[in-house]
Amino acid sequence: ELKVEQNPLFLSMQEGKNYTIYCNYSTTSDRLYWYRQDPGKSLESLFVLLSNGAVKQEGRLMASLDTKARLSTLHITAAVHDLSATYFCAVLMARDNTDKLIFGTGTRLQVFP
Amino acid sequence: KAGVTQTPRYLIKTRGQQVTLSCSPISGHRSVSWYQQTPGQGLQFLFEYFSETQRNKGNFPGRFSGRQFSNSRSEMNVSTLELGDSALYLCASSRGSKGVADTQYFGPGTRLTVL
Repeated sequence: ELKVEQNPLFLSMQEGKNYTIYCNYSTTSDRLYWYRQDPGKSLESLFVLLSNGAVKQEGRLMASLDTKARLSTLHITAAVHDLSATYFCAVLMARDNTDKLIFGTGTRLQVFP
Repeated sequence: KAGVTQTPRYLIKTRGQQVTLSCSPISGHRSVSWYQQTPGQGLQFLFEYFSETQRNKGNFPGRFSGRQFSNSRSEMNVSTLELGDSALYLCASSRGSKGVADTQYFGPGTRLTVL
């Protein structure tokens, strides 16, 4: 069974600082997603990474994928308060003609002044 | 273009009852997936429907079922509710035929509380 682990689970960071969230998964997959969830709200798609070495950037967020290491990172540059949310990675698992999206535990990010 | 809508937004039921949740996908989207989100288990995939057929299924008991109509709207049913079914149930839709392998757009969720 595919397992997806994120770390850290909680991240409190000061505005202007940089940090990285890690997403490790246990078996091969060719598709990884990053989502954002604000408190009490639904999930918002941030990035989809399709191949080894893929890198995508949107504003202060940059996501990368290393399929050989089974690792994705979400890097935050010069954090601002508006980035406070919970971030999830999700990995596509395709087995026995069944596709499932397996989510990580989530990283709760709080950015303070 | 309107997003994914879910009704009702909040629901309170008692153990042993059954419940039906509804999801209307984005216009033109043909795949609908359902997820359960709880503090303990996180986000878990329930099932995915495409063209009125269940294509993919997660590891949930048979008390959890769903269906999709010809207009792509979907319903999810939970019978014989248990306390552990209290959760946020999220519906997501995607445009293409790849279902969960496509970028999914999530609805606001239905918060179910089982007493």
